[in-house]
Amino acid sequence: EVQLVESGGGLVQPGGSLKLSCVASGFTFSDSALHWVRQGSGKGLEWVGHVRSKANNYATSYAASVRGRCTISRDDSKNTAYLQMNSLKTEDTAVYYCTRLRRPFATWGMDIWGQGTTVTVSS
Amino acid sequence: QSALTQPASVSGSPGQSITISCTGTSSDVGAYNYVSWYQQHPGKAPKLMIYDVSNRPSEISNRFSGSKSGNTASLTISGLQAEDEADYYCSSYTSSTTGVFGGGTRLTVL
Repeated sequence: EVQLVESGGGLVQPGGSLKLSCVASGFTFSDSALHWVRQGSGKGLEWVGHVRSKANNYATSYAASVRGRCTISRDDSKNTAYLQMNSLKTEDTAVYYCTRLRRPFATWGMDIWGQGTTVTVSS
Repeated sequence: QSALTQPASVSGSPGQSITISCTGTSSDVGAYNYVSWYQQHPGKAPKLMIYDVSNRPSEISNRFSGSKSGNTASLTISGLQAEDEADYYCSSYTSSTTGVFGGGTRLTVL
């Protein structure tokens, strides 16, 4: 079964750090670009960033709202992508989804989504 | 990067057709044919419905179609069914090599 499973969410104080993981199965992870998308409670989807494949030099890109505070990485040997979040703010509270670009050399369109992991930033 | 603009809500009766618009700029929607649409039911992960403006994944019903004109993309759902009631989001690749989503549209099937 093709799937993505996120973990690592939880309660963290403002200014703290958290590292989310996304484990993939059922497809060739190393060929795929992985994106992170978040959704605040009752709010819309917000693109957070992505990491591309080795063929694309593991290039990363981030939304302005998290740039400089977040780092996306991957370990192809573990079929896992990561989202390291630092200097967390209350507005970072959201469900964080890991999602796959639909084809290795596509530009946009994410076809496989995890179930999400919840991050709560609060004192 | 500002969110793409979608109507907050649309509604239609079973069997009817509805269209959801998604307005961006010349740096995102208008720049490329890389607009996708997602359906999200409450408490569930989003589901890809349309990619590259007008292409459907094989498992998606042909009742769903997409188009684009200038800086505005559109999703049309024909033959509305009760199960189509959900939130719909557009998304676009941008000239900054980032991504952007619309604010979402709540579809109500009357």
